[in-house]
Amino acid sequence: EPEVTQTPSHQVTQMGQEVILRCVPISNHLYFYWYRQILGQKVEFLVSFYNNEISEKSEIFDDQFSVERPDGSNFTLKIRSTKLEDSAMYFCASSPISGGANSPLHFGNGTRLTVT
Amino acid sequence: QQQVKQSPQSLIVQKGGISIINCAYENTAFDYFPWYQQFPGKGPALLIAIRPDVSEKKEGRFTISFNKSAKQFSLHIMDSQPGDSATYFCAASIQGAQKLVFGQGTRLTINP
Repeated sequence: EPEVTQTPSHQVTQMGQEVILRCVPISNHLYFYWYRQILGQKVEFLVSFYNNEISEKSEIFDDQFSVERPDGSNFTLKIRSTKLEDSAMYFCASSPISGGANSPLHFGNGTRLTVT
Repeated sequence: QQQVKQSPQSLIVQKGGISIINCAYENTAFDYFPWYQQFPGKGPALLIAIRPDVSEKKEGRFTISFNKSAKQFSLHIMDSQPGDSATYFCAASIQGAQKLVFGQGTRLTINP
């Protein structure tokens, strides 16, 4: 069964540094998402991306965050200047069409980001 | 109003018992309610989902019960097995909207 793959599985960075988290969505999917999960807390929506542009974003997704689909397969999340509170598990997800009953989200296994 | 409240935070059930996890929401525009299962080190995986036009949906040992008037829905796991030990998240979304709003999660432990 096709799956969403994320790299790296764990990234440690110093506060103020830029990080790029990478994802390869399922090949025939058109919608891409980033969610995050702070340790022990709920999964939170960050951003959705369709047709090479952001279609929806949360209040968490401020100017420090950006997303990009640099080629036909990768989908990236960049954090420009990391803060301690950015430490979390970041999940990439994809769906064939806009999420809902007919288009469930498929999640990757996540990248654990630790900011020191 | 975008919140989904989930309880309990943790649950211990004996093998063969019934596990019940509850969720409540406020936004009446929500019309899709999935449950996700997450094992340690893995991403959430869709388990079962329901639309509000039905009151119950069953897939194998997993059942969602939905009460539209009370704005509540629950997951029942019948004949719970140790392999069901995981964190379960309820979620909700508005049809056509991209984002899922997740509950806080329930860590379920099934004792052998």
